[in-house]
Amino acid sequence: GQSLEQPSEVTAVEGAIVQINCTYQTSGFYGLSWYQQHDGGAPTFLSYNALDGLEETGRFSSFLSRSDSYGYLLLQELQMKDSASYFCAVIAGGRNQAGTALIFGKGTTLSVSS
Amino acid sequence: DAGITQSPRHKVTETGTPVTLRCHQTENHRYMYWYRQDPGHGLRLIHYSYGVKDTDKGEVSDGYSVSRSKTEDFLLTLESATSSQTSVYFCATAGTGDTEAFFGQGTRLTVV
Repeated sequence: GQSLEQPSEVTAVEGAIVQINCTYQTSGFYGLSWYQQHDGGAPTFLSYNALDGLEETGRFSSFLSRSDSYGYLLLQELQMKDSASYFCAVIAGGRNQAGTALIFGKGTTLSVSS
Repeated sequence: DAGITQSPRHKVTETGTPVTLRCHQTENHRYMYWYRQDPGHGLRLIHYSYGVKDTDKGEVSDGYSVSRSKTEDFLLTLESATSSQTSVYFCATAGTGDTEAFFGQGTRLTVV
């Protein structure tokens, strides 16, 4: 089966940098994604890594090491509006390999204070 | 924004009754997913579909069934609702080769 581990909570102050780690165990791995969810809202896509290395999108960057089954989301210049839950998710082959499943971790709650 | 509509948005039902949640998309996406979200558990995959009439089980499929007779609609049925199925249910879609999934606004289901 698939499993993902990420910290349950992270706290930081405005302007700081925070890193949210994710380790995964899965078969048929295609890539690692990150999603953001504000309270009461729907998850929204942040980034995706299929290959090893760093992907940068504005203040957010995501990293993947396939050999270590590990990735992280890096948030820079934190703002109050970044307070939310962040989920890592793997795209992995389904049981019959005819399609792919999107499996989420339990999420990390980020609290940004002034 | 991707056109994903979940209905109903809120529902209260009694234990033992059948319940069907609907996810409708206007994006012609191949993949559709149903998740439940509970505190401390994140988003757990219930079932997913990779095409019309092509579905597979996720992590927590017991007590749930799905159907996809058209590209745009993915139905989630609780055959006999239990209190443990009280949750927020999210539908998501993704196109073939797409790495981004789009989510509906969620359905809050309460089983009393």
